[in-house]
This record gives sequence, C-alpha cells and structure tokens, in this order.
Amino acid sequence: SQTIHQWPATLVQPVGSPLSLECTVEGTSNPNLYWYRQAAGRGLQLLFYSVGIGQISSEVPQNLSASRPQDRQFILSSKKLLLSDSGFYLCAWLREDRGLTEAFFGQGTRLTVV
Amino acid sequence: QKEVEQDPGPLSVPEGAIVSLNCTYSNSAFQYFMWYRQYSRKGPELLMYTYSSGNKEDGRFTAQVDKSSKYISLFIRDSQPSDSATYLCAMSAGNYGQNFVFGPGTRLSVLP
Repeated sequence: SQTIHQWPATLVQPVGSPLSLECTVEGTSNPNLYWYRQAAGRGLQLLFYSVGIGQISSEVPQNLSASRPQDRQFILSSKKLLLSDSGFYLCAWLREDRGLTEAFFGQGTRLTVV
Repeated sequence: QKEVEQDPGPLSVPEGAIVSLNCTYSNSAFQYFMWYRQYSRKGPELLMYTYSSGNKEDGRFTAQVDKSSKYISLFIRDSQPSDSATYLCAMSAGNYGQNFVFGPGTRLSVLP
C-alpha cells in the first residue's frame, strides 16, 4: 500500500531563518506530488506540484521554493522565513483513477514563525 | 467570487443529530465531487466521492450533487462525537493538479 511521510510535525522558527520540509512516498513510482498550505478559513492553497524528478511548477509567487531531488522525495524550502509563512503545510500525492483524482496527504507540518 | 465556497462554521450539534454540510462552486467543468475529513493536526482523508449529479450513500453518510445549482451536500445521520472534525469539499474537472480544488472546510463538533 502507498504511504506518505512528512516531517517534522511541528516547527517553530525565527523570522529570517531557513526552512526545509521533507516529504517521501512509499509504495508507488513516479508519483505526482504536491505541497499545500492550509490557513484557517481559506482552505488548501496549492503551492507547488511536481510530475517528476527536477520538475517543479509553482502556483503562487512567494517566499518559498520546492525541489524534487528523487522520484519519491519532495522538499519545501525557504531561504528566509517571514511571519506570513506561518501555517499548516501538507504534502500530498494525487492519484488519478478513471478520471477521479484522489489525494493522499501526509500528516502535515505546523510551522510557526516568530 | 471564490471558486469553491463553504461555510467555515464552527458547527456544533448534539450527538444523534443529522448534520448537513454544503459547498457551492462556480466552475461548471467540475465533474468529480469529494468530501475529505480532517481531524485536528492531521492531514485530510477521503471520505466519499461522487461523479456528476446524484446521491451516494455510505453507512451514515450521504453525498448529494446538484450540478444545475452548482451545490453539493454531505449529510451525516446519527452523528457521533467521533465525527467531530473539519470537513472539506473538493472538486475536480477530471484531470490532475491545478484543477483539483478544495473548499475552506467546515469545522464540526458533535457534543456528547
């Protein structure tokens, strides 16, 4: 079965510090991977998606970047965090089956920038 | 107008009540409609999905889609405290990624 791991679960970082969140998938190959940010009352905002190694598409211009160094690894980074980067970050693997798109999420990372 | 709208709640109901959760949307290309349940500090998990218009029932849960009104609903019968979570609707036009959109979620509390 497929599983998706995301860490850390919680993170408190000072403004201006770097960020690296990691996501890995098991049980599938060449997955389509996504990073979302979830803010209260605003739902899941798509940040980046990747259809393969080294292939990154950005949905929203911002202080974050993403990388796909390996087939089953997806990393969300920032060189200098802003207060506005605080939020709940979710990594997801999207699988399409006969037109239905199903998202499998990691456990999420609660990031607080202080 | 947001692409998908959902009352954020919080919605508090007594145990055993019937719960109605709703979403409206603006993109007529959406064909797949999903409900995800998210417990506190966890990632969302797929609860139910429907294709096009109609009803789908799974145990205590019923999903309804009215494409003519661009309106979807999730009903929970005999609600339990374990149903307390945030419920997010999601919609897809049948392809990947950027056409897969989530609503903001409704926080539900079922009180014992």
